[in-house]
Amino acid sequence: GDSVTQMEGPVTLSEEAFLTINCTYTATGYPSLFWYVQYPGEGLQLLLKATKADDKGSNKGFEATYRKETTSFHLEKGSVQVSDSAVYFCALGGATNKLIFGTGTLLAVQP
Amino acid sequence: EAGVAQSPRYKIIEKRQSVAFWCNPISGHATLYWYQQILGQGPKLLIQFQNNGVVDDSQLPKDRFSAERLKGVDSTLKIQPAKLEDSAVYLCASSLRPGTPTSYEQYFGPGTRLTVT
Repeated sequence: GDSVTQMEGPVTLSEEAFLTINCTYTATGYPSLFWYVQYPGEGLQLLLKATKADDKGSNKGFEATYRKETTSFHLEKGSVQVSDSAVYFCALGGATNKLIFGTGTLLAVQP
Repeated sequence: EAGVAQSPRYKIIEKRQSVAFWCNPISGHATLYWYQQILGQGPKLLIQFQNNGVVDDSQLPKDRFSAERLKGVDSTLKIQPAKLEDSAVYLCASSLRPGTPTSYEQYFGPGTRLTVT
C-alpha cells in the first residue's frame, strides 16, 4: 500500500544553518504531496504542497519539489530560525483525500 | 474564522473503561477525519466522513471503536473498552468537500491526549 518514509530526528541546527529533511514515498498513481508542521503546543498545519511531478511547493522560506523519478519530496530551507523549531511531517494524499503520514522529524534550532 | 474544536484536551482512564471524544469542524466543511497519533509515529486515519456518511473506516478497530456524525456537523469518537495500546493523541480534521479547489487541505484541531492505565 501507499507509504511515506522520512528521515528520523531529531535534527539539531544552529540558527541560519541550511535545512534538509528527506522524504520518499511509495504510491500507486500520482498522489499529491504535503509537508505539515506541528509547533509546540499547537495542532498540525499545512506548510506546503505539490500536486504533480516537478511542482515546487513553497511557504515561509521552505521549499520542496515533487520528484517522480526519485519518488521524493525533500523539505529545504536556506536559513533556519529558532522559531522554525517544530515537528515536520511529510504526507501523501491517498484516495478520497485521506492523508498518509510519515513518522515526523523533530527540528530543534539553537540560537 | 473559528478552527476545528476538540474536547476534552486530556483524558486519563483505566483499561476496560469507556471514553468519548468530541469534534466540531470548521463551518461549511463537509469532510471530517479522525486520526490516531501514537507517540513517535505519524497520524493514522481511523475514519473519514463525507457529511454524515462514512467514506473510509478501513483502519478503525470496529470491535472497540465507533464514531458518528449524525447531523453532518460535529462528530463523536468512542472507545469501549479501552486497551493500553489505545494511549495516543486523537486528532480531528476537516476539509471542504471533494471537487472544490482546496479540498486537499485539511485543518486539524489541537487533539485529545488519551492515557490508558
